Amino acid sequence: GENVEQHPSTLSVQEGDSAVIKCTYSDSASNYFPWYKQELGKRPQLIIDIRSNVGEKKDQRIAVTLNKTAKHFSLHITETQPEDSAVYFCAASGGGSYIPTFGRGTSLIVHP
Amino acid sequence: GAVVSQHPSRVICKSGTSVKIECRSLDFQATTMFWYRQFPKKSLMLMATSNEGSKATYEQGVEKDKFLINHASLTLSTLTVTSAHPEDSSFYICSASPTQGAEGYTFGSGTRLTVV
Repeated sequence: GENVEQHPSTLSVQEGDSAVIKCTYSDSASNYFPWYKQELGKRPQLIIDIRSNVGEKKDQRIAVTLNKTAKHFSLHITETQPEDSAVYFCAASGGGSYIPTFGRGTSLIVHP
Repeated sequence: GAVVSQHPSRVICKSGTSVKIECRSLDFQATTMFWYRQFPKKSLMLMATSNEGSKATYEQGVEKDKFLINHASLTLSTLTVTSAHPEDSSFYICSASPTQGAEGYTFGSGTRLTVV
């Protein structure tokens, strides 16, 4: 089955800095890679996603890049704000099942 | 967008009692729903896949007699934690997808279970 590794587990930045979270996956058949943001005590919510036929996707301050050859993808947040503080999950799906396999999460802390 | 509702949001129960958690798809039909358990260190653990009209599929290591899943209609799945113990205290989240695919995968609001 799919295995998704996510790093770092904790990321602390100053407001205005950029933050990068990296994930690797094992199943070359995976073709859909969503990212979720989960605020404390709330549900994970989709913030951006990318399909395997695209190398990069951007939505305002967030972007995701995908390297299919190396089987890794990353989330980039620019000009971070305190409200970006949350836990971020990457996931991979496709291949034999559409059920996403999640990374272990990254706790992002943005200091004002 | 798709909405998945979960109830209750918080529950406190005594050891040995059972607790039922409901997961509803509000604006779409879901033949399949999923139940996760989230531990304090934030990882999402898939417990089981709930199938409408048939038995749930449990992940390895999850006790099916302890975590009873019923998916009686196309919009409702329930998770019953039987004979709850303090170690069952956790955040339980359901999910579903209106497209029955990875895109649109939506989570419920979660249930914080505390067993005292």
